[in-house]
Amino acid sequence: DVKVTQSSRYLVKRTGEKVFLECVQDMDHENMFWYRQDPGLGLRLIYFSYDVKMKEKGDIPEGYSVSREKKERFSLILESASTNQTSMYLCASSLFVGNQPQHFGDGTRLSIL
Amino acid sequence: SQQGEEDPQALSIQEGENATMNCSYKTSINNLQWYRQNSGRGLVHLILIRSNEREKHSGRLRVTLDTSKKSSSLLITASRAADTASYFCATDRRETSGSRLTFGEGTQLTVNP
Repeated sequence: DVKVTQSSRYLVKRTGEKVFLECVQDMDHENMFWYRQDPGLGLRLIYFSYDVKMKEKGDIPEGYSVSREKKERFSLILESASTNQTSMYLCASSLFVGNQPQHFGDGTRLSIL
Repeated sequence: SQQGEEDPQALSIQEGENATMNCSYKTSINNLQWYRQNSGRGLVHLILIRSNEREKHSGRLRVTLDTSKKSSSLLITASRAADTASYFCATDRRETSGSRLTFGEGTQLTVNP
C-alpha cells in the first residue's frame, strides 16, 4: 500500500530557529508537494518537485525553501521561523504522468513560539 | 475567490441520509478530484473525474462533473457516522504544470448516529 511518512506529528520551535520538516514516500513517485493548511484558507501549495534536485514555487513560497536530494525524500525548510508559520504542514506525492491522485502523509502540526 | 469552492461549508445529517456537496471552479481543468480528511489527519483520495467524463461511481460515492457550468458534486449515499469528516475538491488546472492541484476550503460533514 502507498505510504507517505512525515517525520513528526507535532513540533514546537522558537522564533528565528531553522526548522526542517521531512517527508518520505515509498512509491517511487516523481512528484512531491508541500502544503500548509490553515482554518478558513484550505490547503495552499508552498513548493513542489517533479524530479530529484528540481523544485518549483507554489502559491506561498516566501519564508520557505525545499530540498530533494533523493527521489523518495522531500524536505521543507523554514529558514528563520516566525509565528505566522504556525500551521499544519502536509506532504503529498504522485506519479508524474497526468490524471493521478495525490497521496498524503498525516501532517505535521508545527507551533512557532 | 478561490479556484475550487465547496458548498455548503458545513452539513449536518442523520445516519442513513444522503449527503451532497458541491464544488465550483473558474478555469479549464484536466481533472477534478475529491478528498476526505478526518480530524487531525492527512487527506485521503476518494475519486478522480477527468474533464471528458460526466459521472463516476465508487461504492457509495457518486461524482458528477459539468464543465459547461464549471461545477462538480459529490453524493454520499446511505451515510454512516464514520463518514464524518471534511471533504475537499481539488482541480488539476490546464494552465499549471506538474499535476499540481488547487484545493477548495472544504465542506465539514457531520453524520449523527
